[in-house]
Amino acid sequence: QLHLQESGPGLVKPSETLSLTCTVSGGSIGTSSYYWGWIRQPPGKGLEWIGSVYYSGTTYYNPSLKSRVTISLDTSKNQFSLKLSSVTAADTAIYYCAKIVGAWGQGTLVTVSS
Amino acid sequence: EIVLTQSPDFQSVSPKETVTITCRASQRIGSSLHWYQQKPDQSPKLLIKYASQSISGVPPRFSGSGSGTDFTLTINSLEAEDAATYYCHQSSSFPNTFGQGTKLEIK
Repeated sequence: QLHLQESGPGLVKPSETLSLTCTVSGGSIGTSSYYWGWIRQPPGKGLEWIGSVYYSGTTYYNPSLKSRVTISLDTSKNQFSLKLSSVTAADTAIYYCAKIVGAWGQGTLVTVSS
Repeated sequence: EIVLTQSPDFQSVSPKETVTITCRASQRIGSSLHWYQQKPDQSPKLLIKYASQSISGVPPRFSGSGSGTDFTLTINSLEAEDAATYYCHQSSSFPNTFGQGTKLEIK
């Protein structure tokens, strides 16, 4: 059974870079033709797709975030990661990693505050 | 960008009734439409993939239909545990997008 787990700092200062890692167990991210993605949800609001990475490493980003987002794969660790630069309070949200289309991680709250 | 519009935004239904949630896409997306259930303080859970494909472990009272631009999630014989917010998601093209959500209350 596929399991995903997000990890990273829960508090990030404005203008700094948010960095999260998703560790996948129960399946290999580098050998199956799936997309792996990051989605976020501001408190009390809906879901926003941030971006996805194909098992080959090709990435796709939300145009609204594209200039600040980097998603990458580390197949040796069976992980994929998210970096979001120049964060502001508007980036405060629960961040989820997910197999597109499939299981999601439990999510991690990231607060942007000084 | 493909916009997904769900209706209704909120619905209050009694147990054992049937509810239908719709999702309309601004462009044709084939069958690349998926449904999720999110309960408070939980991550979204996949209910239906590719418009009508069932997911192992999801009760059969959940079903999906549609293609192109109009899709439906049907929940038969509602139970108290079905109280949640439901989202549709399209993976036909990038950027992927989600509907705004439908909050379902069980009376």
